[in-house]
Amino acid sequence: GDSVTQMEGPVTLSEEAFLTINCTYTATGYPSLFWYVQYPGEGLQLLLKATKADDKGSNKGFEATYRKETTSFHLEKGSVQVSDSAVYFCALGAGGSARQLTFGSGTQLTVLP
Amino acid sequence: KAGVTQTPRYLIKTRGQQVTLSCSPISGHRSVSWYQQTPGQGLQFLFEYFSETQRNKGNFPGRFSGRQFSNSRSEMNVSTLELGDSALYLCASRETGGSNGNTIYFGEGSWLTVV
Repeated sequence: GDSVTQMEGPVTLSEEAFLTINCTYTATGYPSLFWYVQYPGEGLQLLLKATKADDKGSNKGFEATYRKETTSFHLEKGSVQVSDSAVYFCALGAGGSARQLTFGSGTQLTVLP
Repeated sequence: KAGVTQTPRYLIKTRGQQVTLSCSPISGHRSVSWYQQTPGQGLQFLFEYFSETQRNKGNFPGRFSGRQFSNSRSEMNVSTLELGDSALYLCASRETGGSNGNTIYFGEGSWLTVV
């Protein structure tokens, strides 16, 4: 079945450091890929998405590129801020749909001033 | 446009009781899905509803059920509660069709504690 593997956390960085959170997936067909962020005590917020190979999703300085050849969708940000501290989830929607998302285990990011 | 609204936000129930959680989707969104989030199992898909019909169901026992009304609002019910049902229950809605049909938007969730 479909699965998403995320980089183990927690990740602790200093402000303005470069961030990479690795995400790889296993799926049949051509899934859509998503990154969601969850702040303490809140639900999930869509951060960015990509629907086909080589698409780059971007939002709020975060980027991720859909790499079909390596089945990856790594999240990057050039300069993190304290306000980026949250849990980040990689997810896939089978067959390009979001009808049923499969999530990774989440990566806790803490950014220190 | 208002986001996905879930009620109640927090509740405590006793083992063996049942619970009903409510979700109002984003205006114009006709598909509603539910997810369970626990520290041990992470985020797991429960079910999806569209046009008052369950379209898809995850691997949960029959104690977990849901329904959708003609105005797209949805409820989920858990009967005979167990301690392991303690979780954050997230509702999500999406447009169907169009370029945004493959993006779902989540509510803030209902925190259920079973004691």
